[in-house]
Amino acid sequence: DIVMTQSPLSLPVTPGEPASISCRSSQSLLHSNGYNYLHWYLQKPGQSPQLLIYLGSYRASGVPDRFSGSGSGTDFTLKISRLEAEDVGVYYCMQALQSPLTFGGGTNMEIK
Amino acid sequence: QLQLQESGPGLVKPSETLSLTCTVSGVSFTRHGYYWGWIRQPPGRGLEWIGFVYYNGDTYLNPSLKSRVTMSVDTSKNDFSLKLSSVTAADTAVYYCAEYYDNDDYHRAFDFWGRGTMVTVSS
Repeated sequence: DIVMTQSPLSLPVTPGEPASISCRSSQSLLHSNGYNYLHWYLQKPGQSPQLLIYLGSYRASGVPDRFSGSGSGTDFTLKISRLEAEDVGVYYCMQALQSPLTFGGGTNMEIK
Repeated sequence: QLQLQESGPGLVKPSETLSLTCTVSGVSFTRHGYYWGWIRQPPGRGLEWIGFVYYNGDTYLNPSLKSRVTMSVDTSKNDFSLKLSSVTAADTAVYYCAEYYDNDDYHRAFDFWGRGTMVTVSS
């Protein structure tokens, strides 16, 4: 199985400040077709996860442009340019290159 | 807008079979590239992929659960189901159904999720 490791586990952030989360995979997620099968989700308190970024860097429909994804192979980053209060929750990365699909352990982003 | 809604018992006894159904609305259930999946989240923990099913009945299951999982679809009702046999307390979790889009290797992500349903395994 591909192991997904996120850091940090917890991230206190001041509103208006930038934030960054790292996700590393135990195997490269870069397919021969050029896509990195790495996605980012946000689970707000009491809600189901919502897709933020797919294929490493593509923003999902309706996601504000303050969210961006980057990286390739085994190292990926989610960046928030200016944190807003509504961005609190647990962020997960997920790999979809091979079965079983696996998720990172999550990063809990909270307001400082 | 695609919507999914889970339904089923909230309490299951150990060794019995957990059964959940997810009803889909807002999209043609048999549309090419749409797979119908299940993910679970034990209390206070992370996410675990259980599997997904295509409208033609093809299933793709997590090997760690494969021996206990059955998934099926009912295209006449626009719903799909999960059965997990021989449950233990370790199967206590919020169970989410979700749409997974894979169009010839493009996307491969869970775009829409149900609200989730809590299932407790206890006697």
